[in-house]
Amino acid sequence: DAGVTQSPTHLIKTRGQQVTLRCSPKSGHDTVSWYQQALGQGPQFIFQYYEEEERQRGNFPDRFSGHQFPNYSSELNVNALLLGDSALYLCASSLGPQNEQFFGPGTRLTVL
Amino acid sequence: ILNVEQSPQSLHVQEGDSTNFTCSFPSSNFYALHWYRWETAKSPEALFVMTLNGDEKKKGRISATLNTKEGYSYLYIKGSQPEDSATYLCAFWGSNYQLIWGAGTKLIIKP
Repeated sequence: DAGVTQSPTHLIKTRGQQVTLRCSPKSGHDTVSWYQQALGQGPQFIFQYYEEEERQRGNFPDRFSGHQFPNYSSELNVNALLLGDSALYLCASSLGPQNEQFFGPGTRLTVL
Repeated sequence: ILNVEQSPQSLHVQEGDSTNFTCSFPSSNFYALHWYRWETAKSPEALFVMTLNGDEKKKGRISATLNTKEGYSYLYIKGSQPEDSATYLCAFWGSNYQLIWGAGTKLIIKP
């Protein structure tokens, strides 16, 4: 039974570019949440997708957008990248929006 | 603005000693509190999901209590072992589906 998987593992972009990160949830899970973790901080909630809709959103600008597909996998898109977007991006899946979350290994994004 | 605060920020404990740390969260619109353990180079792993005031949950040497009226939860580790070294995170779920994470307590067990 595969756990949560994310791709790519590392990514280097330049300011102004756009990036897409991908997440496949744990088998049987229908909810995907995305987090940004800057060095030395706890995870910052970006948004959560359930039933292919964005259900909750943290305090992130519209440059951050996402999508959930019918197979429950999800993408995180970030437009007009800033240096401050450099972080570890974590995806977590759960069975339902408020239940125990299972995290993927993360994607390390570096913006130069 | 709602905040979740964890204290202390970091903690050094001698192997074999017991320890505890705190998660403070808003006392209104409570739905659930989650505790996670995050070991270096690994993904966060769920420890407990707590929903009822007065809840006490236990997993091996680790236990947690919940007080939703005053807005705090304690995590206890009995007889600390080197493998307990990790960052312990709590996450507050509000009844309006708001999710707020604490910054974590970094626990270091000294052999």
